[in-house]
Amino acid sequence: AQSVTQPDIHITVSEGASLELRCNYSYGATPYLFWYVQSPGQGLQLLLKYFSGDTLVQGIKGFEAEFKRSQSSFNLRKPSVHWSDAAEYFCATGNQFYFGTGTSLTVIP
Amino acid sequence: SQTIHQWPATLVQPVGSPLSLECTVEGTSNPNLYWYRQAAGRGLQLLFYSVGIGQISSEVPQNLSASRPQDRQFILSSKKLLLSDSGFYLCAWSRAGPGELFFGEGSRLTVL
Repeated sequence: AQSVTQPDIHITVSEGASLELRCNYSYGATPYLFWYVQSPGQGLQLLLKYFSGDTLVQGIKGFEAEFKRSQSSFNLRKPSVHWSDAAEYFCATGNQFYFGTGTSLTVIP
Repeated sequence: SQTIHQWPATLVQPVGSPLSLECTVEGTSNPNLYWYRQAAGRGLQLLFYSVGIGQISSEVPQNLSASRPQDRQFILSSKKLLLSDSGFYLCAWSRAGPGELFFGEGSRLTVL
């Protein structure tokens, strides 16, 4: 069965610092992979997705993610975090969109 | 453009009462439809998905059921709510094949 694991429940970073959120997937073939962001009390917005091809994917809001088959990972990165990036981030996989448990990001001014 | 509507936004129900959450999609045909539940600290749990009218797949055995009476309508129901049914319920749709999942604004259910 397809699944993703987000090892970090909560991360705190200072504004302007770099960010990396981890996601590990479980699937034999090349998976469909997604990163979503959820602001408090809201639905989810797609940041980026990977289906095939270039393993470095650019998304909205300055985010990027890199697919690494050797590590079964699809980590989300941003070079400089803004206070407005504070939110819940979810990794997802598969045709039926199985989500991880999420990583809560706090940004310190 | 496509839009997804979900209601009610907030619901407070006593234990043992019935539930009906409704979701409709506009601007597309034959969408795949999904119901997720989000409980604190547990991420998004896929409850049901549907690839067509009357076709429902259940991911987790539970006190809930789903129906798709029309192409762009997806309903989440319960005959008797439990305390453990409290949570944030999200409806979503996608096109057939690999693609993006589009979410509604969610329905917060509190069972007392």
